[in-house]
Amino acid sequence: LAKTTQPISMDSYEGQEVNITCSHNNIATNDYITWYQQFPSQGPRFIIQGYKTKVTNEVASLFIPADRKSSTLSLPRVSLSDTAVYYCLVGAHNQGGKLIFGQGTELSVKP
Amino acid sequence: DAGVIQSPRHEVTEMGQEVTLRCKPISGHNSLFWYRQTMMRGLELLIYFNNNVPIDDSGMPEDRFSAKMPNASFSTLKIQPSEPRDSAVYFCASRAERGPNQPQHFGDGTRLSIL
Repeated sequence: LAKTTQPISMDSYEGQEVNITCSHNNIATNDYITWYQQFPSQGPRFIIQGYKTKVTNEVASLFIPADRKSSTLSLPRVSLSDTAVYYCLVGAHNQGGKLIFGQGTELSVKP
Repeated sequence: DAGVIQSPRHEVTEMGQEVTLRCKPISGHNSLFWYRQTMMRGLELLIYFNNNVPIDDSGMPEDRFSAKMPNASFSTLKIQPSEPRDSAVYFCASRAERGPNQPQHFGDGTRLSIL
């Protein structure tokens, strides 16, 4: 399973766009990139997943360059409620869905 | 649809006691995962099942920990005997196998305190 590296913490203000970059230099051909969000006292929640290029949903966008060695989660116009820990994971379906969580990025949104 | 349901939400017990954590996965999901989260070690995968069969238990810390999945709608994680260092939040997650890379869906966890 590919190891990921992401910033330990980030600060932002309400209304700003937040970009969290994750490095995964050893990503395998079959690996997908998945991001989860975790609020205090709750389990992680799936945000977005991608394989290459760009993926967008109602919550976020995920940018993946051609070499797939990194990815960037983009949160548009964050609010206080986006304060959470964000995890970047890489893994493949043929591994039974097994994912290894790193330390995550603790995002703090201030008024 | 109901999400992953874990019980109890909180458990406080004395060391040496047996602890049983319970999980009901989302109906139709055929993979189930048990995680443990602490400040020091973060979120660790303990064991996962596929179609009720344990596939990888390499994350189970020691023989005091055991997990079972007697049917597709129920799993237990048992600690016997419990120790203070087992204090953590334990999460259960489930996943559907259909389609590539389906995400895992997590319950709200059981906060376990061993005194």
